Amino acid sequence: AQSVTQLDSHVSVSEGTPVLLRCNYSSSYSPSLFWYVQHPNKGLQLLLKYTSAATLVKGINGFEAEFKKSETSFHLTKPSAHMSDAAEYFCVVSKNTDKLIFGTGTRLQVFP
Amino acid sequence: DAMVIQNPRYQVTQFGKPVTLSCSQTLNHNVMYWYQQKSSQAPKLLFHYYDKDFNNEADTPDNFQSRRPNTSFCFLDIRSPGLGDAAMYLCATKRDHPETQYFGPGTRLLVL
Repeated sequence: AQSVTQLDSHVSVSEGTPVLLRCNYSSSYSPSLFWYVQHPNKGLQLLLKYTSAATLVKGINGFEAEFKKSETSFHLTKPSAHMSDAAEYFCVVSKNTDKLIFGTGTRLQVFP
Repeated sequence: DAMVIQNPRYQVTQFGKPVTLSCSQTLNHNVMYWYQQKSSQAPKLLFHYYDKDFNNEADTPDNFQSRRPNTSFCFLDIRSPGLGDAAMYLCATKRDHPETQYFGPGTRLLVL
């Protein structure tokens, strides 16, 4: 069965410093993995997705994630945080082609 | 721009008074989803349509119903809202393949 674990419920960084949001997955086959971002009172926006092509995936707003099969990880990174990055981030695995399984979310705070 | 639209963005209803939330899409996607998201939680899938085929999640209360009159529109009906149904309701769409779901901005429901 597929699942995802987001290792941190809250992450706080200073503006201009790197961001690391951690996600581990469990899947019996090669998974499709996603990162979505949700700003307060907004819908979910797709940041990036991994679908068995390149292991380093580049997304919008300077975010990227690396698929590491040996570590069953799909961590989200950004070299330099911006105030506008403050939001909730969800790591998601596709259960089959029709359904998604969400992690519990990581709230990112960015301090000036 | 092609998009997923939800109306209204905020809805206030009274305990026990039926309410309908609306979702429309210009993406011409054949799969549409309704999620419930409570505060500080991940979205929870209520049901989805694959074309005209309705797929209910096993733990979705009978109080929640849905209609999809055509490809573009999907409605969520809550027959007798309780205080516990106050939440953000998210609509999402996708094609058969790939698995990427595109979310609307959500409707925040308040039950008085």
